[in-house]
Amino acid sequence: DTAVSQTPKYLVTQMGNDKSIKCEQNLGHDTMYWYKQDSKKFLKIMFSYNNKELIINETVPNRFSPKSPDKAHLNLHINSLELGDSAVYFCASSRGLGDTQYFGPGTRLTVL
Amino acid sequence: GQQLNQSPQSMFIQEGEDVSMNCTSSSIFNTWLWYKQDPGEGPVLLIALYKAGELTSNGRLTAQFGITRKDSFLNISASIPSDVGIYFCAGFSGAGSYQLTFGKGTKLSVIP
Repeated sequence: DTAVSQTPKYLVTQMGNDKSIKCEQNLGHDTMYWYKQDSKKFLKIMFSYNNKELIINETVPNRFSPKSPDKAHLNLHINSLELGDSAVYFCASSRGLGDTQYFGPGTRLTVL
Repeated sequence: GQQLNQSPQSMFIQEGEDVSMNCTSSSIFNTWLWYKQDPGEGPVLLIALYKAGELTSNGRLTAQFGITRKDSFLNISASIPSDVGIYFCAGFSGAGSYQLTFGKGTKLSVIP
């Protein structure tokens, strides 16, 4: 069973479109995260949710909006996609805040 | 924000050689984590370190939490082709720190 799963694996879309990436964890964790990995492989935290509440919201454009319908899911919706949004987006989860994080397989987003 | 300096940036080694990489910080960290990322996959946790001076092994991998709490190293013994990938150090700094800071990664290439 996959612990942290993301869909889709690949997403190719035009500039200006709106898209969503879904994440689910079956580890029973309370905390979930979204990271962005750029072309230089640098991993940068975007959002952190603990018990469905937003904890960390780094300087991310408000075109990005996370939604946590329950503790096992954290989805990422992106409005008005721009070329610079092209990256790999990773979901992660941990038992609680400050605990070891486990990552999903990533979603490679390409904006044309 | 916190920064982790990871070195080397990349390494080319012969199969069978030992490898060493490290991370340093100007501030104290209270948890160090080492991840490996294979191409097209998410980071996978290799070793977690929670106490200064702690030395932990996972098969051919050994990692240590520096006694100053400002550094950590990862050693891989007798490298094999499947060790290829990007290795990331990461850490939580200070009590109550919920944000995981990542190093920029060490790209390892193993020549058969």
